[in-house]
Amino acid sequence: NAGVTQTPKFRVLKTGQSMTLLCAQDMNHEYMYWYRQDPGMGLRLIHYSVGEGTTAKGEVPDGYNVSRLKKQNFLLGLESAAPSQTSVYFCASSYLARDRGYEQYFGPGTRLTVT
Amino acid sequence: DAKTTQPPSMDCAEGRAANLPCNHSTISGNEYVYWYRQIHSQGPQYIIHGLKNNETNEMASLIITEDRKSSTLILPHATLRDTAVYYCIVRVGSGGSNYKLTFGKGTLLTVNP
Repeated sequence: NAGVTQTPKFRVLKTGQSMTLLCAQDMNHEYMYWYRQDPGMGLRLIHYSVGEGTTAKGEVPDGYNVSRLKKQNFLLGLESAAPSQTSVYFCASSYLARDRGYEQYFGPGTRLTVT
Repeated sequence: DAKTTQPPSMDCAEGRAANLPCNHSTISGNEYVYWYRQIHSQGPQYIIHGLKNNETNEMASLIITEDRKSSTLILPHATLRDTAVYYCIVRVGSGGSNYKLTFGKGTLLTVNP
């Protein structure tokens, strides 16, 4: 049981380049989330999904797109990377149950630098 | 969601109990208290949550005051590996489909040898 995994672990992009971050979970969770964390700050929600084929915007969705074609995978895309998107990106997943929906399981993070 | 207030940092001696306070004076009746921690450079880790009653699991204990305006996370025997930022989060536990967590700045707990 790997839990939540993220690919890649590190990446350096040039301004304007695109990339996709992959998140996978093997816990059969309904909900999945993408957060970003900047130095000295808490996590901010980018996008989330409440089930296969559904996505919704979080607090800071601009510049990102997401897809949830399979229940176990949640992809985060940057179409045209900007230096302001330099951050650590965390994926998380959780149960459908109302109370346990806040028991989120996080991946190890992807460290992205945009130059 | 109710706002939480935590001290920015705390120290604790290894082997002693670490008591991390959280103030949530505007908490509503249907809001739960959740605790997460983040060890340096890792993803956050769920610790425990509660509504009204005190809770205990293999990691920690959660003490919620009777009026629910504050709570304390207790790590009974802190180790060096417990050095982390601890987040107290208050969130509705029922209704709706938005389960996002709002992370503040938390408390940096440093366990000293």
